[in-house]
Amino acid sequence: DADVTQTPRNRITKTGKRIMLECSQTKGHDRMYWYRQDPGLGLRLIYYSFDVKDINKGEISDGYSVSRQAQAKFSLSLESAIPNQTALYFCATSDLGLAEQYFGPGTRLTVT
Amino acid sequence: SQQGEEDPQALSIQEGENATMNCSYKTSINNLQWYRQNSGRGLVHLILIRSNEREKHSGRLRVTLDTSKKSSSLLITASRAADTASYFCAITSGGSYIPTFGRGTSLIVHP
Repeated sequence: DADVTQTPRNRITKTGKRIMLECSQTKGHDRMYWYRQDPGLGLRLIYYSFDVKDINKGEISDGYSVSRQAQAKFSLSLESAIPNQTALYFCATSDLGLAEQYFGPGTRLTVT
Repeated sequence: SQQGEEDPQALSIQEGENATMNCSYKTSINNLQWYRQNSGRGLVHLILIRSNEREKHSGRLRVTLDTSKKSSSLLITASRAADTASYFCAITSGGSYIPTFGRGTSLIVHP
């Protein structure tokens, strides 16, 4: 089984809808991250969490919120989706004090 | 946080050839990592090189770091069609363990 899983893998939604993307990990890592990837722009950090009680904004947090329900679960919400949030979203984890990140398979989100 | 810049943006080679891609950055770093992404999939960590290291190897991969030139290179020797992917450098600097990713080099290896 994959160490970092994301659900759903694909989602099409309409402008104004609320949507939640979920991430689970079995690696036992404390640190979890949400990124979005747009063509030609690389990965941009949305939010990150260093433990269950720690949530931090990243480079592009506007329009997004997160919840760290447990060490293994980190969800990303779009309260009112807009078309320019159409992107590939990745969850990642890392161990304390180490920089290497482990990525989930991604969620392709389309907002129409 | 700073972002590395990969060069070239795209690279097309024949199977068996070597592929070299570069990453440049602006200020001092803690470490630099290289990741691979197959089309539409999650990134996979390849190699991490620390600021006090100059070269690391992993199988057919060789990474060098020149802190005086603020650049790193990733060499893939004897490339295979399966190496077709995008390659990203990611930099950590200052007190942060969070890497900042560049825009990537798209590598196509023709069989």
